[in-house]
Amino acid sequence: NAGVTQTPKFQVLKTGQSMTLQCAQDMNHNSMYWYRQDPGMGLRLIYYSASEGTTDKGEVPNGYNVSRLNKREFSLRLESAAPSQTSVYFCASGRAGSNTGELFFGEGSRLTVL
Amino acid sequence: AQSVTQLGSHVSVSEGALFLLRCNYSSSVPPYLFWYVQYPNQGLQLLLKYTSAATLVKGINGFEAEFKKSETSFHLTKPSAHMSDAAEYFCAVRDSGNTGKLIFGQGTTLQVKP
Repeated sequence: NAGVTQTPKFQVLKTGQSMTLQCAQDMNHNSMYWYRQDPGMGLRLIYYSASEGTTDKGEVPNGYNVSRLNKREFSLRLESAAPSQTSVYFCASGRAGSNTGELFFGEGSRLTVL
Repeated sequence: AQSVTQLGSHVSVSEGALFLLRCNYSSSVPPYLFWYVQYPNQGLQLLLKYTSAATLVKGINGFEAEFKKSETSFHLTKPSAHMSDAAEYFCAVRDSGNTGKLIFGQGTTLQVKP
């Protein structure tokens, strides 16, 4: 069972470079999310897509863009990377309308911006 | 708006001893609450969840949490710590509305001493 798959797992960028983090889920979930994890700050929501065709800003959207390519895939793009975007990024998926509500997470993408 | 506070960023416990990780929440609606665990260099794994059924929730690997509305708490406990329990633990509350977003606490790192 693949669950939520993120690529790449590791990436080093120079300031100003761009890159896209890819995420795919095979659980037929309608909702997908991008979080970033920084020491002492827990996980903070960057963007989410409650259903195919919609995207919305989360708590920390500045410097990022997203694309919900189809029901399975949700990508996160950094147009001009900054050192403050050094972080671990997690993609998650879930059933937004369900009564249980847990999210399923990928293994993370570790990004360093020099 | 929903929020979560985890008291104690680091907790140390001896192998075989009981431990408790604290989580307090703020919610304008009856909450859905979650505990996740993150092992080093891995994604987040669901330990247990409260969805307004029994107030004492049992999860995987012997973990339990008790929902106390009067104290707005959802503390995580385990009667006997194992070395393999060393990890970071996150408490989360589901956001109100139908987006499925989870709002996370700052995390607690558990150290298990032999």
